[in-house]
Order: sequence, then structure tokens, then C-alpha cells
Amino acid sequence: QSALTQPASVSGSPGQSITISCTGTSSDVGGYNYVSWYQQHPGKAPKLMIYDVSNRPSGVSNRFSGSKSGNTASLTISGLQAEDEADYYCSSYTSSSTQGVFGGGTKLTVL
Amino acid sequence: EVQLVQSGAEVKKPGESLRISCKGSGYSFTSYWISWVRQMPGKGLEWMGRIDPSDSYTNYSPSFQGHVTISADKSISTAYLQWSSLKASDTAMYYCARHDGPTGWFDPWGQGTLVTVSS
Repeated sequence: QSALTQPASVSGSPGQSITISCTGTSSDVGGYNYVSWYQQHPGKAPKLMIYDVSNRPSGVSNRFSGSKSGNTASLTISGLQAEDEADYYCSSYTSSSTQGVFGGGTKLTVL
Repeated sequence: EVQLVQSGAEVKKPGESLRISCKGSGYSFTSYWISWVRQMPGKGLEWMGRIDPSDSYTNYSPSFQGHVTISADKSISTAYLQWSSLKASDTAMYYCARHDGPTGWFDPWGQGTLVTVSS
């Protein structure tokens, strides 16, 4: 069982927007503005898409955005494209002795 | 370009030892941690542990403590993940990632090393 909870799957049609949630506790997601999101295509290494809740690294499309409310962070992808179909993972800084934690992952299907 | 390059795929037998590597380039290797992440076939990402290459301080997930060892040689900008006695359940893809300690993000990631343990 992962420390951060994500839905197993989400889907959307091209051009639509989808949101993936990531629920933790006050010791991780809720306690710090240090949530990050990763995209992983089949057979590929994960790629950082969002850091510090809502910041995009250079080169990441502005169709990807992040937010947080309480113990839940969210990744929104607008204007869905076929290339967005992938697995998405959240991660958060945590006050526990464990220095890294991931969500269980969400499979995005573009219909 | 900031880059992490991992060693190649390995096939081992149960009980054998193994060390895989992760070489950093394009940045100051001692300015960021290196974390190791396991991904079992068809499963999600699991954080295993991390090392601060500047002083070789390590921290492990309780799930992996005692079963793996993380080390680093800052003179050659390389981190390592090693097992003294592999099990079939260690079969997985292993990624290294540059880890920003203060804020927790991981970027970039190595290309992954597939470890297969089978008799």
C-alpha cells in the first residue's frame, strides 16, 4: 500500500481536460508545498512534469498544471493529446524518516 | 545536459551478489542526493533509499533496509546499488534519480537497469 493515494485510472477524449488526485496526510502533502508529478510512458524512465506543487520544468507543456488543497494535490492536463497517454505518479516531501514516497500511480487513457 | 547513465541489464541466480551503477554528468555531483527507485513488473514506483554523495550519508526505506546497500564514489560521480544475496523477488527495473533533498523532487532519472534473478 502506497503512502500517497491516487486513482488507479482516469480517461478522457482528445481536447478534454482531466484531473488526477493525490491524497496524503498533514505529514507530507498537507504539510509542505513540495509535491511533484512524474509521467512514465511504457518502457521508459519517469519524467518530472511538476515540482513544488505547481511549477513546470523547462520544456514541459503548459497544458500540465498542478495545485493543492489541504492534504490533496492535483495534476490537471488540459487539451488532452494522444501522447499524454501514460502512467502518472505523485511524490511528496515527508516529515517521516522515509525520505521519499510515491503514490500508487494513475493510468491515463486517451479515448 | 544533466544526465544519469546506468549500467546494463543483469541476469543472476538466487544467492549471487550484484552491484549496479549510476554515473552523473552535467552538474555538480555532490550538490544533490542520488535516490534509487524499484519498479517491479507491471507495478508502481517504490523509493528504496538515497545517498548524499558529499559525505556518503545514506537513508533507506524500511522495506529495503538491510537488504540493499547504497554507496557512492564522488571522485568518479558514480552511485551504486548492491545486493549481497539476491532473491527471485528482486527481479525488477531499478532507476536512479537525482534527488533534491530540501524539496523532494527527482530529476533527471537514469534509463533504468533491469535485474533478472532466476535459477
